[in-house]
Amino acid sequence: DVKVTQSSRYLVKRTGEKVFLECVQDMDHENMFWYRQDPGLGLRLIYFSYDVKMKEKGDIPEGYSVSREKKERFSLILESASTNQTSMYLCASTSSGEGQETQYFGPGTRLLVL
Amino acid sequence: KNEVEQSPQNLTAQEGEFITINCSYSVGISALHWLQQHPGGGIVSLFMLSSGKKKHGRLIATINIQEKHSSLHITASHPRDSAVYICAVSPHSRLTFGEGTQLTVNP
Repeated sequence: DVKVTQSSRYLVKRTGEKVFLECVQDMDHENMFWYRQDPGLGLRLIYFSYDVKMKEKGDIPEGYSVSREKKERFSLILESASTNQTSMYLCASTSSGEGQETQYFGPGTRLLVL
Repeated sequence: KNEVEQSPQNLTAQEGEFITINCSYSVGISALHWLQQHPGGGIVSLFMLSSGKKKHGRLIATINIQEKHSSLHITASHPRDSAVYICAVSPHSRLTFGEGTQLTVNP
């Protein structure tokens, strides 16, 4: 059974803290994605990666960075957390292709920044 | 205007009813995806389609490429179908999402 796991289901952090969210997939997928989900706004793409050490900005990359040192692992970093980064964060992965691949999602991390 | 529009935003039904959720998009696509998100957050892919119709159990998804429109139907709805249903399109590998439809099925 395919699996995408995220390091935490719930996180509470303070403003200014550095926050690491980690995602691991066991499907040998090339593409990995980080989204945030907010009421009324739906899912928005923060960053994605199509290969090890490769990254591309999504629609809302400000305030975030990412790291992909190994194929199975994609990390999202909040350098200095702010209250407007309180959200649900979802990781996903797909095999490489032309857009006709199923995306597999992790369970999500609910982040609260105080 | 969003590239992916879903309707309705909220839908309440009685158990057993036939349900339709609509999705319209304004960009060229490789495929359209229907996703389900239960309370607690996990998202599951229900369908991926680029033409015609797909069926899985009580769920049916259709797409009309010329009209840039897709529908998700649920027959004989059940309270366990209560979830958020999300339409997404993929011009390439990255998805563009609709805002989702919150479905509540009452017993």
